[in-house]
Amino acid sequence: KAGVTQTPRYLIKTRGQQVTLSCSPISGHRSVSWYQQTPGQGLQFLFEYFSETQRNKGNFPGRFSGRQFSNSRSEMNVSTLELGDSALYLCASSPDLRGSYNEQFFGPGTRLTVL
Amino acid sequence: AQRVTQPEKLLSVFKGAPVELKCNYSYSGSPELFWYVQYSRQRLQLLLRHISRESIKGFTADLNKGETSFHLKKPFAQEEDSAMYYCALGAAAGNKLTFGGGTRVLVKP
Repeated sequence: KAGVTQTPRYLIKTRGQQVTLSCSPISGHRSVSWYQQTPGQGLQFLFEYFSETQRNKGNFPGRFSGRQFSNSRSEMNVSTLELGDSALYLCASSPDLRGSYNEQFFGPGTRLTVL
Repeated sequence: AQRVTQPEKLLSVFKGAPVELKCNYSYSGSPELFWYVQYSRQRLQLLLRHISRESIKGFTADLNKGETSFHLKKPFAQEEDSAMYYCALGAAAGNKLTFGGGTRVLVKP
């Protein structure tokens, strides 16, 4: 199976703009999670979507939002960009089998730079 | 609140030497613990999980609930083990993971 894909791979934006990142999960995976990775804060959970519904949410401001489509593809949006939003944004998909935590399969990430 | 601590940012060992990466967690419920690894220019990937109780690439990890630890060990490090290692805690419905800060392992020849 093809792995998790993320587009675009690199983005440069200026403060105040908004950005949309896209993630296509592995075929058959219904759970998609987003993480922000920075040198200072490490890997931080943003949110998880399952069957088009947000199932978990991390401690990020409302400027960060996401959605999931019926084909499980997901997008995340960041509005009113700040310099501190510069980070690698990782998407992970999971088969979400019942019973326990599932292995998460990570994409290559989208590198966002805010100037 | 859930928290994962990896006290070592960098571990440098010689090839053939043992390596142990420390991981401590904070969670009042019944956790699921994982080790993820990121090799150079590769994606973050699962190395092992505590419920499987298996050895992957010679690595093992034992969950110690009394000490709230999940240390990763390998008796004889290889150069290909050089990578970034993350300990992660799953402790809520769904697939949310709380990651530690990561430990970079450098295995010298």
